[in-house]
Amino acid sequence: SQTIHQWPATLVQPVGSPLSLECTVEGTSNPNLYWYRQAAGRGLQLLFYSVGIGQISSEVPQNLSASRPQDRQFILSSKKLLLSDSGFYLCAWSVKGANGYTFGSGTRLTVV
Amino acid sequence: KQEVTQIPAALSVPEGENLVLNCSFTDSAIYNLQWFRQDPGKGLTSLLLIQSSQREQTSGRLNASLDKSSGRSTLYIAASQPGDSATYLCAVRRRNNLFFGTGTRLTVIP
Repeated sequence: SQTIHQWPATLVQPVGSPLSLECTVEGTSNPNLYWYRQAAGRGLQLLFYSVGIGQISSEVPQNLSASRPQDRQFILSSKKLLLSDSGFYLCAWSVKGANGYTFGSGTRLTVV
Repeated sequence: KQEVTQIPAALSVPEGENLVLNCSFTDSAIYNLQWFRQDPGKGLTSLLLIQSSQREQTSGRLNASLDKSSGRSTLYIAASQPGDSATYLCAVRRRNNLFFGTGTRLTVIP
């Protein structure tokens, strides 16, 4: 069966520090991968998606970047965090085509 | 741009009651619609997926309907239980994006 792992679960980082969040998927090949952010009191917003290794599409201009170094690995990064980067970050995957999404357990990021 | 609205924003019901959550979307050109459950501080758990060609899906006490032409979906929960307390999110898929509503926070009172 397919599983998605996301870590860490919580993270407190100072302003200006770097960020690396990792997401891995097991039990499937060539999935579509996604990073979403859920800010307090707001809905989920798509940040990045990837349809293959090295292929990244950004939906929202921001202080973050994403990379897909391996088929089932998706990384969210920042060189210098801002206070506004605080939020709940969720990784998701889907099979290509009109299929449903499966989400990871999320990372709560607090920038102080 | 696709906009997804969920009504009500919050709902409190006594245990055992049947209830309906509503979702509406502005662009009917969707691939599918998915209902999720989110517990506080947790990720999203998929409840039901309805393809654009389908009218409804059922899983246990849950039934979701889709009227794509009118841009509406409902999630029906039968015989509610305290364990059903959570935020329920609907999301519509268009290409490589899933557009979310802001959710309905459900509280089932024992």
